[in-house]
Amino acid sequence: GDSVTQMEGPVTLSEEAFLTINCTYTATGYPSLFWYVQYPGEGLQLLLKATKADDKGSNKGFEATYRKETTSFHLEKGSVQVSDSAVYFCALSDRTGGSYIPTFGRGTSLIVHP
Amino acid sequence: EPEVTQTPSHQVTQMGQEVILRCVPISNHLYFYWYRQILGQKVEFLVSFYNNEISEKSEIFDDQFSVERPDGSNFTLKIRSTKLEDSAMYFCASSKGQQETQYFGPGTRLLVL
Repeated sequence: GDSVTQMEGPVTLSEEAFLTINCTYTATGYPSLFWYVQYPGEGLQLLLKATKADDKGSNKGFEATYRKETTSFHLEKGSVQVSDSAVYFCALSDRTGGSYIPTFGRGTSLIVHP
Repeated sequence: EPEVTQTPSHQVTQMGQEVILRCVPISNHLYFYWYRQILGQKVEFLVSFYNNEISEKSEIFDDQFSVERPDGSNFTLKIRSTKLEDSAMYFCASSKGQQETQYFGPGTRLLVL
């Protein structure tokens, strides 16, 4: 079945450092890919998405490119801030079976120090 | 900005007891969902609900679980006889349409002793 694997956390960075959170996926069809973010005490929020190969999703300085050849959707940000501290979830939605329900990874905690 | 709300934020219960987790979806949304996340594991889909009936459910959503929209605003998840392994964070979500972005609530942390 479909699955998402993302790097173990926590990822601890200093402010203004470069961020990469790796995500790879397995899917039978042609999925849409997502990154969700969960700030402390809040629900999951959609951060960005990409619906086809080579698409780049971007939002709030974060970017991720849909790489079909490597089945990856790594999240990057050039300069992180303390306010980016949160848990980040990679997810896919594969409509092959007629379902739009996303499959999530385990989440990666990001801690940014001043 | 409209948001999904969930109550309670934390719930502690004894094994075998019934619990009801409550959610208020965004008012003009038509699709409603429950997910759970056992500590350290993946966010897992439980059930989706549309037009007053279950539209999709996972293997996790067995006879111990039920969902209901008792009025025009609330969406509830009931666990009839809780087990230790039901301890998890439960997230409610809603969306305008089946293919639309899902908006998540902050979650209810359930601990079964």
